[in-house]
Amino acid sequence: IVMTQSPDSLAVSLGERATVNCRSSQSVLFSSNNKNYLAWYQQKPGQPPKLLIYWASTRESGVPDRFSGSGSGTDFTLTISSLQAEDVAVYYCQQYYSTLHTFGQGTKLEIK
Amino acid sequence: EVQLVESGGGLVQPGGSLRLSCTASGFTFSGYTMTWVRQAPGKGLEWVSYVRSSDGEKFYADSVRGRFTISRDNVKNSLYLQMNSLRDDDTAVYYCAREGGGAYLTHWGQGTLVTVSS
Repeated sequence: IVMTQSPDSLAVSLGERATVNCRSSQSVLFSSNNKNYLAWYQQKPGQPPKLLIYWASTRESGVPDRFSGSGSGTDFTLTISSLQAEDVAVYYCQQYYSTLHTFGQGTKLEIK
Repeated sequence: EVQLVESGGGLVQPGGSLRLSCTASGFTFSGYTMTWVRQAPGKGLEWVSYVRSSDGEKFYADSVRGRFTISRDNVKNSLYLQMNSLRDDDTAVYYCAREGGGAYLTHWGQGTLVTVSS
């Protein structure tokens, strides 16, 4: 499954909304449990990735509620409702539907 | 507290071999699927391999299948990645990661750098 993110980079003003998109080449919705096998990660320079969202819309414990995930099937969105300076990072989506768990190419988020 | 510590990285010539280790603590290692993810300098994340906790089945990215072997030792709480026939494009930071309740990755190590160069 190929994961494609858009845009590759994004500049947003502090306090504004940031939206990152992720599209999978085939559906990652498992019909038997109605779950989308899609996660979002944040990576800051020099650090390992950090899990933000799993099952497409479930926020990981401790993640601020300004981060939210939505979408189903093949199209997904990560939204940061009000951008903070500490949100500058690269964001990745990952599917874990197939036995080969692929990442998107990443979206670099900067402050405008 | 969950901790994952990778080791074994270094400089190796093309065609050479290297074995990475990941030592886990703070959780019941045998109960979790474990994954290797790599990141080439200045590039994005690439999923490499994982080994399932339930049945020990192993899966590999096309780019490493036949050259890399993942394994685990549940007594030593350790995950391994044997890398053979290394190429320049295997140069990367290699991260060890633990799954959550699904196959999403909740905990990551700090990574170990592998450099393939003559």
